[in-house]
Amino acid sequence: KQEVTQIPAALSVPEGENLVLNCSFTDSAIYNLQWFRQDPGKGLTSLLLIQSSQREQTSGRLNASLDKSSGRSTLYIAASQPGDSATYLCAVRGSTNAGKSTFGDGTTLTVKP
Amino acid sequence: DTEVTQTPKHLVMGMTNKKSLKCEQHMGHRAMYWYKQKAKKPPELMFVYSYEKLSINESVPSRFSPECPNSSLLNLHLHALQPEDSALYLCASSHPRDTEAFFGQGTRLTVV
Repeated sequence: KQEVTQIPAALSVPEGENLVLNCSFTDSAIYNLQWFRQDPGKGLTSLLLIQSSQREQTSGRLNASLDKSSGRSTLYIAASQPGDSATYLCAVRGSTNAGKSTFGDGTTLTVKP
Repeated sequence: DTEVTQTPKHLVMGMTNKKSLKCEQHMGHRAMYWYKQKAKKPPELMFVYSYEKLSINESVPSRFSPECPNSSLLNLHLHALQPEDSALYLCASSHPRDTEAFFGQGTRLTVV
């Protein structure tokens, strides 16, 4: 059974700092890994999708990497802003469990002005 | 258009009521999903429809009844719910299996 862990559970940084969020998974048989952002009481906003054959994806100030063999992904946020404050979730879509996605518990980020 | 639209945004229902949640997408996605999310927890998968057929039911109680009338619509029919069913219900869609999933903004359900 796939298990997904996100570290840290919460993170508070001053505005302007670069930061890294971590996601680890136990089963490397995956189709892809997706990073989401969720604001309180809202739905999930897709940030980046990395296919199993890819090593990284970039969008603006965000960069996500994937090391499938070690079961790790990182989300790098450059020059953080107060508007980046949210919960960040990673979801791993497995290739051996009918394509279901397994979510981590998330990292709650607070960026202080 | 990368939007998944869910209605209503908020719903309060009694334990004897029958209500339905609706989800719509026009991205041509043939996989649609229902998730349940409790406060400060990740989404939990409930149902998956693939090409309008139910492909995954994660042992969800029968008081939740999904329906996929066509490739753009997904419903979740609710009957005789319990207070512990209060949660944020999220709909998502994707091309089956290996592409990006898009989520709606959710329906906040309160059972009284």
